[in-house]
Amino acid sequence: QSVLTQPPSVSAAPGQKVTISCSGSSSNTGNNYVSWYRQLPGTAPKLLIYDNTKRPSGIPDRFSGSKSGTSATLAITGLQAGDEADFYCGAWDSSLSVYLFGTGTKVTAL
Amino acid sequence: EVQLVESGGGLVQPGGSLRLSCAASGFTFNNYAMTWVRQAPGKGLEWVSGISGSGYTTEYTDSVKGRFTISRDNSKNMLYLQMNSLRAEDTALYYCAKDGRTQPGYDFDYWGQGTLVTVSS
Repeated sequence: QSVLTQPPSVSAAPGQKVTISCSGSSSNTGNNYVSWYRQLPGTAPKLLIYDNTKRPSGIPDRFSGSKSGTSATLAITGLQAGDEADFYCGAWDSSLSVYLFGTGTKVTAL
Repeated sequence: EVQLVESGGGLVQPGGSLRLSCAASGFTFNNYAMTWVRQAPGKGLEWVSGISGSGYTTEYTDSVKGRFTISRDNSKNMLYLQMNSLRAEDTALYYCAKDGRTQPGYDFDYWGQGTLVTVSS
C-alpha cells in the first residue's frame, strides 16, 4: 500500500521556522483531510493539526497547517529545543479504504 | 479527562493469537470511532484498523485482513483487537486511539500509551 512522502529530516536554529511537506495523491491528501502528529521520544503521538489547518485546544499557534492540491505542509515557527521530535502527517485514502501515515520527519533544533 | 489504557500485549509464538483490549473513559464512547495504530521498533506509524462508533463499520489494512478482528463493547467502553495467525512482522507497540468523529479515518485526538506485542519463537 502507498504511503505519504515526507522528508526524513529538517533542522533549524532555535527561534527559526521549519516546514515539513507531505506529498500524496488525489485519493488521499488531494481529497481528504490531512492531520499532523508529533511524537516526542518514548511517548505516544499527539495530534497537532486536523482538518488540514485546525489546531486542537492547547496546541500553540506556532504550529500551523496548510494544503494545496495533493501536498500538505506543517510549519513550526519559533523553533524550540523541546520541539525535537518525529512528525507524521496522515490522511484517509478513499481508493484503498485505509488510513495512511506519512513516512515521518525528524525535526532537530541546531 | 480522556483516558485510554491498553492491555493484553506480550510474547507469542508465530501462528499464535492475542487479544488486545483498550479501556476508555472521559468521553461518550459510542459517539466516536476508535482505531488501532502500531509502531514496529525504530519504525514509523502504521494504521491497523478502525471501527465506527456504532461498531457497524470496520476497516483494516491489507496485511492484517482475515487475521485481525476489531470490535467494541459500548456498554463497557471497551475496544478490542483479536489477533490470530501472528507473524514476526506483527511485532510492534500497539496504540489505541480515539477518532475525532463517529466514522473512522479522520484524525486521532487521544492516544493510549501502547501495549507491546512480540512475535517470536
